[in-house]
Amino acid sequence: QVQLMQSGAEVKKPGASVKVSCKASGYTFITDYIHWVRQAPGQGLQWMGVINPNGGSTTYAQNFQGRLTMTRDMSTTTVYVELSGLRSDDTAVYYCARGPSNSGFADHWGPGTLVTVSS
Amino acid sequence: EIVMTQSPATLSVSPGERATLSCRASQSVRANLAWYQQKPGQVPRLLIYGASTRATGTPARFSGSGSETEFTLTISSLQSEDFAVYYCQQYNSWAPLTFGGGTKVEI
Repeated sequence: QVQLMQSGAEVKKPGASVKVSCKASGYTFITDYIHWVRQAPGQGLQWMGVINPNGGSTTYAQNFQGRLTMTRDMSTTTVYVELSGLRSDDTAVYYCARGPSNSGFADHWGPGTLVTVSS
Repeated sequence: EIVMTQSPATLSVSPGERATLSCRASQSVRANLAWYQQKPGQVPRLLIYGASTRATGTPARFSGSGSETEFTLTISSLQSEDFAVYYCQQYNSWAPLTFGGGTKVEI
């Protein structure tokens, strides 16, 4: 079955960077996009961007331009998101989610990774 | 950016009642609209895509309708496990993909 396994919680200081991983299994890695969505405590869902594992092309939300990098490792079927210049309002749960057949909606979600930014 | 507006913010209903949730887009998204359910402490779950197609495992009491800018999620007879927050999301424009602010369905 489709599984997305994410790395563990992180605590970072303002200005630092964080890199979260998402290992995909149970389906053909290159056929589906991986989206990243975050959720601040008590808040709604915010789309960050998407990566196409087949080729590695990315699309980022403009809000994160310059701070966000998504990459993938074909050998381990793992996708990474790195956010730099962390601020306190980047504190959130970060989800990876599969977009089936390269769609814009997400049918399977990872468990989420809590990133806390605090001095 | 396409702004998605959900109403009401909170919907108070009793088990067995019908619930109607609304989602409005600031411009046409055609039928590129998904609905998700999120229970406290849990991961969002896809319910509906293509405005009206139930995802695998979505009970038949959930139905989606609408197109262009006006969409509705209807829960025909609320079960106890349906009390949650529901989000709509448009995927017609990827610059960026956007979610509504959510509707909390509570007792």
